[in-house]
Amino acid sequence: DTEVTQTPKHLVMGMTNKKSLKCEQHMGHRAMYWYKQKAKKPPELMFVYSYEKLSINESVPSRFSPECPNSSLLNLHLHALQPEDSALYLCASSLQGGPGLGTEAFFGQGTRLTVV
Amino acid sequence: AQKITQTQPGMFVQEKEAVTLDCTYDTSDQSYGLFWYKQPSSGEMIFLIYQGSYDEQNATEGRYSLNFQKARKSANLVISASQLGDSAMYFCAMREGDDKIIFGKGTRLHILP
Repeated sequence: DTEVTQTPKHLVMGMTNKKSLKCEQHMGHRAMYWYKQKAKKPPELMFVYSYEKLSINESVPSRFSPECPNSSLLNLHLHALQPEDSALYLCASSLQGGPGLGTEAFFGQGTRLTVV
Repeated sequence: AQKITQTQPGMFVQEKEAVTLDCTYDTSDQSYGLFWYKQPSSGEMIFLIYQGSYDEQNATEGRYSLNFQKARKSANLVISASQLGDSAMYFCAMREGDDKIIFGKGTRLHILP
């Protein structure tokens, strides 16, 4: 099973709303990632959790707040977003960090977020 | 500075032909990993193949193979006997340090019937 599940698949939210994106994996992976992808662009790394601790924050605005409640779950809390934050948000997980085998990341199908 | 370079924004290939997608990378690490992902229009990122910097053999996975030339810092993806379902965006990626995976700009591949 190489499944990473993201919910919801689509989300429309106003600029004053608070919403959360959820990501779940049951592969025993110890690293989990959030990426943002604008149309016709590559995914851009936002956050990395390694062993449930935030290890990388790529200078993401504070209106995006990640949370890793346990080793299987990753949330992205959204508050006071701007229309330019509209994008595909991808969650991924990998068995471990480092460059060896077993470090490929498996992605969920993403959440298409529209901020109005 | 760009770490992953994919010089082909788009490619058109006849069905059943082989296709090579180019990727060069830049790193000062001795130990690193290279990946290729496929992204259909549905948006999901599908892992295709992995090459480790210390692997002496080129990686292969079914119709996918990776032409790894370490001295030239290139990791080209070769798809043999292309199929209509191969039409998608293809991203070359590299693991940087322990936790970061970064992507090139991608190549849009169109398979023609």
